[in-house]
Amino acid sequence: EIVMTQSPATLSVSPGEGATLSCRASQSVNSNLAWYQHKPGQAPRLLIYGASTRATGIPARFSGSGSGTEFTLTISSLQSEDFALYYCQHYNNWPQTFGQGTKVEIK
Amino acid sequence: EVQLVESGGGLVQPGGSLRLSCAASGFTFSSYAMSWVRQAPGKGLEWVSTISGSGGSTYYADSVKGRFTLSRDNSKNTLYLQVNSLRAEDTAIYYCAKCYSSGWYSGDYYYYMDVWGKGTTVTVSS
Repeated sequence: EIVMTQSPATLSVSPGEGATLSCRASQSVNSNLAWYQHKPGQAPRLLIYGASTRATGIPARFSGSGSGTEFTLTISSLQSEDFALYYCQHYNNWPQTFGQGTKVEIK
Repeated sequence: EVQLVESGGGLVQPGGSLRLSCAASGFTFSSYAMSWVRQAPGKGLEWVSTISGSGGSTYYADSVKGRFTLSRDNSKNTLYLQVNSLRAEDTAIYYCAKCYSSGWYSGDYYYYMDVWGKGTTVTVSS
């Protein structure tokens, strides 16, 4: 099973600032990596798939990069609605696994 | 608009069973794989199971293999998760998700989840 490790666990950011979230895989997942946003009481939302492709309707301030074992989700100029939990997930083989999440909170 | 509505959660004693359902609308249900993902209290997301569009292939996390059974009725646009031999650690919000295939590689199909439901809560407690 591939272990996905996200860092940091919590990121404190002021509105309007940028944020960089990291995700590391214990072995290569090629570009088979997705990022999701999750707010309490809501359905998770797909942000990025294929490591760098934004899902339909996702604002351009969200961008993904990386391949192999190192991945990054960058949020430029955080808006109030961006404060949430973020998870990476690989789908390179079975079982799919998620990272433990990064909480982006208001500083 | 794609909609996924989960139901069937509740309070159940250890060792008990439930059948979770996910009613889908707004897309051609039989053309897409579907998954269940859960979130235990205070924990992150955990993939549980995936079924192909035809229902011919199913995949399970080791933590639920042999206890959970995933199925679908394409005539009713509904996904089912039969959960048996429930344990306290199965307590979670269970989310249904529509899957999108990333293609065939390494001898199988693989998927990411592009639309999610709001979840149904399963509580296992005596």
